[in-house]
Amino acid sequence: NAGVTQTPKFQVLKTGQSMTLQCAQDMNHEYMSWYRQDPGMGLRLIHYSVGAGITDQGEVPNGYNVSRSTTEDFPLRLLSAAPSQTSVYFCASSYSSSTSETQYFGPGTRLLVL
Amino acid sequence: KNQVEQSPQSLIILEGKNCTLQCNYTVSPFSNLRWYKQDTGRGPVSLTIMTFSENTKSNGRYTATLDADTKQSSLHITASQLSDSASYICVVSSGTYKYIFGTGTRLKVLA
Repeated sequence: NAGVTQTPKFQVLKTGQSMTLQCAQDMNHEYMSWYRQDPGMGLRLIHYSVGAGITDQGEVPNGYNVSRSTTEDFPLRLLSAAPSQTSVYFCASSYSSSTSETQYFGPGTRLLVL
Repeated sequence: KNQVEQSPQSLIILEGKNCTLQCNYTVSPFSNLRWYKQDTGRGPVSLTIMTFSENTKSNGRYTATLDADTKQSSLHITASQLSDSASYICVVSSGTYKYIFGTGTRLKVLA
């Protein structure tokens, strides 16, 4: 099992550009989520999905879109990048949405918006 | 407001020594509390998870404790190794899909 994979590892964008951060898992997990990690702050939930075709907003959803067409993939789209979106982005998955399940995190995507 | 506070922010110890990291939380309702280890440039990895009724949970040289009355948790690392150098994050689950993350303690183990 590759676990949770994310691409790219690092990306530089100019303000106003759009891009998609890719996330995939091969563990047949139902629950997937996106977080951002900023210096001096805990991880914050952007969007999550409890299964294919079902997504919902987390704590900081503005400026981001998600979709979940398959169990395996959960891409995160930045519609019009802003410097405030400079961050490290982590995708996570777990077997179910129960908070007693272990979340498995990907290696992260470091995004710099100029 | 739901909050998870960790102390100290950073810690330097010598290899072979023990250390204890602290986590205080004001989260309601409470589902469970986890400790994660995050190596530099990597995603967090789960170390332990404790529910309301559990006081102690061990994972090798890592031992977590939970006092649900005082809303405090600690992570004790025994006989530290260089590979323990990482950030340790306390996370409290509240309700469905809700995780409140602490800002972490950055541990550096020196040879």
